[in-house]
Amino acid sequence: QVQLQESGPGLVKPSQTLSLTCTVSGGSISSGGYYWSWIRQHPGKGLEWIGYIYYSGSTYYNPSLKSRVTISVDTSKNQFSLKLSSVTAADTAVYYCAGGTGPPDYWGQGTLVTVSS
Amino acid sequence: AIRMTQSPSSFSASTGDRVTITCRASQGISSYLAWYQQKPGKAPKLLIYAASTLQSGVPSRFSGSGSGTDFTLTISCLQSEDFATYYCQQYYSYPQTFGQGTKLEIK
Repeated sequence: QVQLQESGPGLVKPSQTLSLTCTVSGGSISSGGYYWSWIRQHPGKGLEWIGYIYYSGSTYYNPSLKSRVTISVDTSKNQFSLKLSSVTAADTAVYYCAGGTGPPDYWGQGTLVTVSS
Repeated sequence: AIRMTQSPSSFSASTGDRVTITCRASQGISSYLAWYQQKPGKAPKLLIYAASTLQSGVPSRFSGSGSGTDFTLTISCLQSEDFATYYCQQYYSYPQTFGQGTKLEIK
């Protein structure tokens, strides 16, 4: 059974870069056909798709965040990562990593990231 | 981006009830529609994909239908564990987008 686990700082200062890592266990991140995504949820709000990295390494980012987002993969560690630059309080949210061949069917537990000085 | 609109945003029901949640896409998405269940403090759980295909392990009281722009999620006989928030998601085009959610509460 594939499991995902997010890790990274829970508090980031405004204007800095948010960095999170997702560790995949129970399967290879290089498995064919898998999209590895980051999705966030503002407190008490709905879900916002941030972007994905395909097993081949190609990426797609939500245009609303594209100028600030980078998603990368480290196959040797079976991890993929999110970097979101120039954060503001509006980026305070629970960040989920997720994976699947279509809609994400494997999700991490989520990690709350608060942007505050 | 494709806009997904769910209705209702919230409603109350009793165990044993049959309930239906609707989701409308701002443009046609064929059958590239998924439904998720989310409980407080937990990650969303995939229930249905391809509009009507039940994810492995999901009880058969859940069903989905629709194609194009209009979709429904039906729970045939509500159980206590079904009280949660439900989201639809289109994966027809990027960026993938979600509905605003439907909160199902106990009457």
